[in-house]
Amino acid sequence: SAVISQKPSRDICQRGTSLTIQCQVDSQVTMMFWYRQQPGQSLTLIATANQGSEATYESGFVIDKFPISRPNLTFSTLTVSNMSPEDSSIYLCSVEADRGAFFGQGTRLTVV
Amino acid sequence: KQEVTQIPAALSVPEGENLVLNCSFTDSAIYNLQWFRQDPGKGLTSLLLIQSSQREQTSGRLNASLDKSSGRSTLYIAASQPGDSATYLCALGASTLTFGKGTMLLVSP
Repeated sequence: SAVISQKPSRDICQRGTSLTIQCQVDSQVTMMFWYRQQPGQSLTLIATANQGSEATYESGFVIDKFPISRPNLTFSTLTVSNMSPEDSSIYLCSVEADRGAFFGQGTRLTVV
Repeated sequence: KQEVTQIPAALSVPEGENLVLNCSFTDSAIYNLQWFRQDPGKGLTSLLLIQSSQREQTSGRLNASLDKSSGRSTLYIAASQPGDSATYLCALGASTLTFGKGTMLLVSP
């Protein structure tokens, strides 16, 4: 298994500002994944972050809005840029390990 | 494109009941199927992983089965407890996962 520490756990932000979410894993992993869970919905993959290369974004998500960093094999950040109330969601990072996928505790973002 | 459906969307049972949560998927060429639990406003806790070559997995009061030919998985919870109240999600894939919308379970004392 993998232990993932994600922060902040929650935040309330003003529209037009940006928030950076951090994800730390207790072991080295090749890929890290970022998901979004909008209110009442299930999880949707935003992007896959590989160390040493550009993140790969899913349809509907763009780098300008959700820039991702992956400086080493245990850490990644996701920034939600120029926020609007529609960005209010839970954001989760995930890694794949021997026993399947493991998730951080999530960041609950409210944009006002 | 893989689509995952979970039925029922919500379930309310008295404590002690045995219950079954259902997950169906459209693409049988899957890698893994994983069941998660999510408490309100929180992240996901992995419950059981069934690899594509397996048919079921058990952990304590939980048993998950996988039938690729019919595109179905079930999560069986024995002797339910109020602490089991949460949303249960099934997800399919290898590295990246496709999720169902979940079943919200409420177990009343």
